[in-house]
Amino acid sequence: AQKVTQAQTEISVVEKEDVTLDCVYETRDTTYYLFWYKQPPSGELVFLIRRNSFDEQNEISGRYSWNFQKSTSSFNFTITASQVVDSAVYFCALYLRSSARQLTFGSGTQLTVLP
Amino acid sequence: NAGVMQNPRHLVRRRGQEARLRCSPVKGHSHVYWYRQLPEEGLKFMVYLQKENIIDESGMPKERFSAEFPKEGPSILRIQQVVRGDSAAYFCASSATGENTEAFFGQGTRLTVV
Repeated sequence: AQKVTQAQTEISVVEKEDVTLDCVYETRDTTYYLFWYKQPPSGELVFLIRRNSFDEQNEISGRYSWNFQKSTSSFNFTITASQVVDSAVYFCALYLRSSARQLTFGSGTQLTVLP
Repeated sequence: NAGVMQNPRHLVRRRGQEARLRCSPVKGHSHVYWYRQLPEEGLKFMVYLQKENIIDESGMPKERFSAEFPKEGPSILRIQQVVRGDSAAYFCASSATGENTEAFFGQGTRLTVV
């Protein structure tokens, strides 16, 4: 069975600080996809990134960066120079080709960026 | 992704009423997925449908909940005789191929049962 763990329930940082959101996943499959989503206070889900299991290259997009490490089954998300608008709940999710075609979500991390 | 349209955005129902949630997938997509987000929780898979077929409903409660995706028109998630515990955000996603690796979601329908 697959599982996604986001151990950090809530994080508070002061604007301009860097912050890393942790995501640990469990699966026996060798082919899978990992996702990060942002859910701002307005409630919609904003897709941030998708990474397949064969691509361990880290990615940077503006102030966002992702560190995928298969050896530790982690897919961590770092926001550099955080801003108040980054305040949201962030979800990590796992998709397996082998099982039912569904995403398994972590429980989310509430990030609050204080001015 | 603005392509997946859900309506209504907010729905208030009294206990015992029926709730009908609609999801129009991205044009050309024939696979739809419904998820539920209970307060303070992550999203949980409910059902996966392909046009006119239910492929996987392993996440659907056994009673009162049903889903359809007709040949024409949006996918409908129907909750009969709603109870307070049904209050949640319901999200829909669609894909073209049945591989839910695109995973763009609609804006969700927030159901409140009073």
